Amino acid sequence: TQLLEQSPQFLSIQEGENLTVYCNSSSVFSSLQWYRQEPGEGPVLLVTVVTGGEVKKLKRLTFQFGDARKDSSLHITAAQPGDTGLYLCAGLLLIQGAQKLVFGQGTRLTINP
Amino acid sequence: EAQVTQNPRYLITVTGKKLTVTCSQNMNHEYMSWYRQDPGLGLRQIYYSMNVEVTDKGDVPEGYKVSRKEKRNFPLILESPSPNQTSLYFCASSRPGQGNNEQFFGPGTRLTVL
Repeated sequence: TQLLEQSPQFLSIQEGENLTVYCNSSSVFSSLQWYRQEPGEGPVLLVTVVTGGEVKKLKRLTFQFGDARKDSSLHITAAQPGDTGLYLCAGLLLIQGAQKLVFGQGTRLTINP
Repeated sequence: EAQVTQNPRYLITVTGKKLTVTCSQNMNHEYMSWYRQDPGLGLRQIYYSMNVEVTDKGDVPEGYKVSRKEKRNFPLILESPSPNQTSLYFCASSRPGQGNNEQFFGPGTRLTVL
């Protein structure tokens, strides 16, 4: 079973449409990160949300951390072909004094011109 | 340029032939880890290291070894590779406790075990 469930796993939409990706868990996270991965490259951090209810915006991307710090969402407005990629959420847990980052399965997003 | 490098980027090998994937970072990060990425499973941590000479198992350590003799290097060793270790491998480094604990990933190593 996946500790952090990400949905949908695949999404293909037309340019200009809006979309939302979700990450859900029964665990409480210290913080939650969103990464984007291009083919042939490693993931790159987009944003970190720390406080329950926090909202961060990065141009057309809006990230929200749930009030209980168990879930997060990524909303893209007016998607562009350049938004195509694999989006990963990752939650930071504190376990016995050590930090552990757990990843969702990823959402492969395709924006069609 | 701050970066994490991995070598090789691509490797095809046969069952049982020992191999090492190297990882090096130039950011003086204490924390390094290895992940494997498989379709539908996301990134799963294999091993991590909090600092030199300190390593620990992640979620899927079976069949792998690591070492951390120097701060910058964290090689991944497969003593006797098997086909179920065919995967995309990523090395990452970070500085826990500083800011948002951003993970800096290498470009990945695609391994095929026949």
